[in-house]
Amino acid sequence: QSALTQPASVSGSPGQSITISCTGTSSDVGGYNYVSWYQQHPGKAPKLMIYDVNNRPSGVSNRFSGSKSGNTASLTISGLQAEDEADYYCSSYTSSSTWVFGGGTKLTVL
Amino acid sequence: EVQLVESGGDLVQPGRSLRLSCAASGFTFNDYAMHWVRQAPGKGLEWVSGISWNSNIIDYADSVKGRFTISRDNAKNSLYLQMNSLRAEDTALYYCAKCWYGDYYFDYWGQGTLVTVSS
Repeated sequence: QSALTQPASVSGSPGQSITISCTGTSSDVGGYNYVSWYQQHPGKAPKLMIYDVNNRPSGVSNRFSGSKSGNTASLTISGLQAEDEADYYCSSYTSSSTWVFGGGTKLTVL
Repeated sequence: EVQLVESGGDLVQPGRSLRLSCAASGFTFNDYAMHWVRQAPGKGLEWVSGISWNSNIIDYADSVKGRFTISRDNAKNSLYLQMNSLRAEDTALYYCAKCWYGDYYFDYWGQGTLVTVSS
């Protein structure tokens, strides 16, 4: 199972919006509405930010949103804040009954 | 408060074995599937293995199939990962994570335990 494809890095200024893409195949991202996104600050455990493509867990800011079109899912962060600077990973359930992650995207808040 | 505490990580020689544990508290353990996810130093996340709430469904990544065995003890609120025939590429921080029955995402993660495979 190959990793999902994410950009290595994205950046934005405070207050701006950014979008991180996550491209897979019809066997994972395109085949199921089971895409999730995780935020990881340096030295910390990953934290769930979006599940089932576009749902936010309780306690996660509504500045975070998710979407999907075909084999590509996206995470959008609006109103960027300094605390959003972190690594972001997408994940999808697959047709092999396994899970696959993206390679991760480093978000820099300028 | 939900807690997942991993333990058992160590420096081990290639070809040797290691058993990781994950102690769970603060939630009803047997309502959740449990997973192991690893992260090599400076690298991304890699799903390793998952086990259903009643141990009836177990899956592994191809990279560890035949070498690793996941198990759980619901009476002890614990998850395990038996790692045999370890390789240098198994060096990573190993996280346990929980996943509500019928869901397909990891809603809480432990802090991880470090496994280093080196001679």
